[in-house]
Amino acid sequence: QVHLVQSGAEVKKPGASVKVSCKASGYTFTDYYIHWVRQAPGQGLEWMGCINPSRGDTYSAQEFQGRVTMTSDTSISTAYMDLSSLTSDDTALYYCATDTAYDQFDYWGQGTLLTVSS
Amino acid sequence: QPVLTQPPSASGTPGQRVFVSCSGSNSNIGMNYVHWYQQVPGKAPKLLISRNNQRPSGVPDRFSGSKSGTSASLAISGLRSEDEADYYCAARDASLSGVIFGGGTKLTVL
Repeated sequence: QVHLVQSGAEVKKPGASVKVSCKASGYTFTDYYIHWVRQAPGQGLEWMGCINPSRGDTYSAQEFQGRVTMTSDTSISTAYMDLSSLTSDDTALYYCATDTAYDQFDYWGQGTLLTVSS
Repeated sequence: QPVLTQPPSASGTPGQRVFVSCSGSNSNIGMNYVHWYQQVPGKAPKLLISRNNQRPSGVPDRFSGSKSGTSASLAISGLRSEDEADYYCAARDASLSGVIFGGGTKLTVL
């Protein structure tokens, strides 16, 4: 059974960076892309980017390019999303999700709440 | 402004059939699969319909999806109170080189 377990809630000051982890289990970690999706309070879903854990190549949405870094550690089946230069607009729930094919997000982590406040 | 357009709200009474639309363009729905997600308040989204009309294991056959041209639709028949949730469509967009979501539709069961 596939499980994605994310790191805990974070509180950061404007200008800081945050690193969110997503530990996968129940499947071969390098078989599927991991995507990152965020949801601001009361808002919809926003795709941030993805990583291919097998090769390490990453793809990010234009609005996050230069500010988001996605990595993975295959030895511990964990993906990471690093977001820098935080502003209050980055306050949101951040989700990781597996993509088994065709950009369908089959399994989701529980979400990590990031609060950016001075 | 989401690239995929959904109505912000929909409603129905128990037992009714409701539809949620998702309108896009040739660079997204017109050339790629559409997926639908259900998000119950306070929970992570759940894949409801994949590849336009495929139900993942465990999803009741009351839920169905379709696609025609640059639009897609989610149908929910035999509406139940537990169907009250937010529903999102999603697709890859070739122009943006990424995945895009609709703005979401809040379904209320009256």
